Amino acid sequence: GDSVTQMEGPVTLSEEAFLTINCTYTATGYPSLFWYVQYPGEGLQLLLKATKADDKGSNKGFEATYRKETTSFHLEKGSVQVSDSAVYFCALVNFGNEKLTFGTGTRLTIIP
Amino acid sequence: KAGVTQTPRYLIKTRGQQVTLSCSPISGHRSVSWYQQTPGQGLQFLFEYFSETQRNKGNFPGRFSGRQFSNSRSEMNVSTLELGDSALYLCASSLVPLAGQGSEQYFGPGTRLTVT
Repeated sequence: GDSVTQMEGPVTLSEEAFLTINCTYTATGYPSLFWYVQYPGEGLQLLLKATKADDKGSNKGFEATYRKETTSFHLEKGSVQVSDSAVYFCALVNFGNEKLTFGTGTRLTIIP
Repeated sequence: KAGVTQTPRYLIKTRGQQVTLSCSPISGHRSVSWYQQTPGQGLQFLFEYFSETQRNKGNFPGRFSGRQFSNSRSEMNVSTLELGDSALYLCASSLVPLAGQGSEQYFGPGTRLTVT
């Protein structure tokens, strides 16, 4: 079945550091890929998405590129802020399996 | 446009009781999905409804059930509560069922259920 693997957390960075959170997936066909973010005490917010190979999703300074050859969708941001502290989830939806399959989440803490 | 709303936000129940959670999707969205979030199991899909029909169901026991009304609002019910049912229950809506290409789900804030 479909699965998503995220890098283990927690991740702690200083403000203005470069962020990478790794995400790889296992799925047949051509799934759509997503990053969601969850702030403390809240639900999930869609951060960005990509629907086909080599697509780049971007939002709020975050980027992720759909790499079919490496089955990856790594999240990056050039300069993180304290307000980026949250839990980040990588997820996929595959054709014919109409649900989100999530990774385990990566807790990110940014210190001033 | 208002987002996905869930009621109640917090709930405390006793083992053996039953509970009903409610979800109102974004206006115009006809598909509603439910997910359970726990520290141990992460985010797991419960079921999805579209046009009042359950289209997809996750690997949960029959104690977990749901329904969707003609206005797209949805409820989920858990009967004979167990301690392990303590979780954050998230509702998500989309215009149409997720189909692997372009569809997006938008989540509500969740209902925090504690079973004692």
